[in-house]
Amino acid sequence: QVQLVQSGSELKKPGASVKVSCRASGYSFTTYGVNWLRQAPGQGLEWLGWITTDTGNPTYAQDLTGRFVFSLDTSVSTAYLQINSLRAEDTAVYYCGREGYSYKAVDYWGQGTLVTVSS
Amino acid sequence: EIVLTQSPGTLSLSPGERATLSCRASRSLTPNYLAWYQQRPGQAPRLLIYDASLRATGIPDRFSGSGSGTDFTLTISRLEPEDFAVYYCQQYSTSLYSFGQGTKLEIK
Repeated sequence: QVQLVQSGSELKKPGASVKVSCRASGYSFTTYGVNWLRQAPGQGLEWLGWITTDTGNPTYAQDLTGRFVFSLDTSVSTAYLQINSLRAEDTAVYYCGREGYSYKAVDYWGQGTLVTVSS
Repeated sequence: EIVLTQSPGTLSLSPGERATLSCRASRSLTPNYLAWYQQRPGQAPRLLIYDASLRATGIPDRFSGSGSGTDFTLTISRLEPEDFAVYYCQQYSTSLYSFGQGTKLEIK
């Protein structure tokens, strides 16, 4: 069965970096794109962007400032989200999600990774 | 960027009633690439509807999506206790996707 398993919770200080992983199993990793999303405490969903898993081409949401980097290691069917120069407002649950076969909605989700930024 | 506005913010209904949730786009979605997700507390979202009206795998037929252009609707025909949750719409019609702010469906 399709599974996306994310890395565990992180506590970081402002200005630090964090790298969240998303390991896929149960399907051909390079056939489906991977989306990244986040949800701040008590807030709605925010789409951060997505990455093609065959070519590694990323698309970032308009509001992102260049601190967010998507990458892949196809040898281990894993997508990564790195956030640099962390700020308190980056505190959120970060989700990865696989797009559908013939549609771009997210049909499978990771369990979420809580990133807390606090001094 | 396309802005999605969901209404109402909160909907209070009883089990067995019909729920109608709205999602309006700031400009027309062409094609009608709109999805609906359900999120229960402490869980990741779950895809219900994609391409405006197609049910995702395993989704009960009491969930239906409709609409085109700028106005879209998620209808839950007869509410079950497990349906009380937050619902989000998402557009993927342009290269930059976006979500609505959510509608909370609560038990009356």
